[in-house]
Amino acid sequence: ETGVTQTPRHLVMGMTNKKSLKCEQHLGHNAMYWYKQSAKKPLELMFVYNFKEQTENNSVPSRFSPECPNSSHLFLHLHTLQPEDSALYLCASSQDLGDYGYTFGSGTRLTVV
Amino acid sequence: AQTVTQSQPEMSVQEAETVTLSCTYDTSESDYYLFWYKQPPSRQMILVIRQEAYKQQNATENRFSVNFQKAAKSFSLKISDSQLGDAAMYFCAYRSLYYGGSQGNLIFGKGTKLSVKP
Repeated sequence: ETGVTQTPRHLVMGMTNKKSLKCEQHLGHNAMYWYKQSAKKPLELMFVYNFKEQTENNSVPSRFSPECPNSSHLFLHLHTLQPEDSALYLCASSQDLGDYGYTFGSGTRLTVV
Repeated sequence: AQTVTQSQPEMSVQEAETVTLSCTYDTSESDYYLFWYKQPPSRQMILVIRQEAYKQQNATENRFSVNFQKAAKSFSLKISDSQLGDAAMYFCAYRSLYYGGSQGNLIFGKGTKLSVKP
């Protein structure tokens, strides 16, 4: 039990599809994060949410659309993706924004064909 | 902007032996945190060890210890008595002490893949 659950574990989608990634935590954390992990590159922070409000968007293309309906759930809606968007998408949470104790999920391996 | 560099894409160690993973970073800040995360094949990132820059004493967690050289901006991870379960990607990460604006988020290196030979 990781504390942060991500679904699906694997996803293959065409460039014209629309899909969503889900992240769920029941740790009572207030901050949630989306990271992109590509091969041979550092993890890239995509979005930050604090108490359901987006606090950061690191110049992420609009084909990635996050949603945080409550502090326990975080979604990443995907549409018209490109092959270079294929990566492992990791979700993390922390008690508060300033907390360094991140808990990560196991990620969704996304392949865009 | 801060950067984290891990110069060893891959490392290998014999079971029960000791291995050291390297990490250097660049920052103009004087107070910050440094971390080593482990990512096994299960893909979940797990915090291995944390170091506060204002502490001179090197952090240790069981078989894991760090060599923190603040002046050299170096933060290496030593794994003693390596076990098969230590095989994973290891990421070095930096975080500003204070959170605000673009500061305070984890900044990761590219990772080092550690193999453990039986």
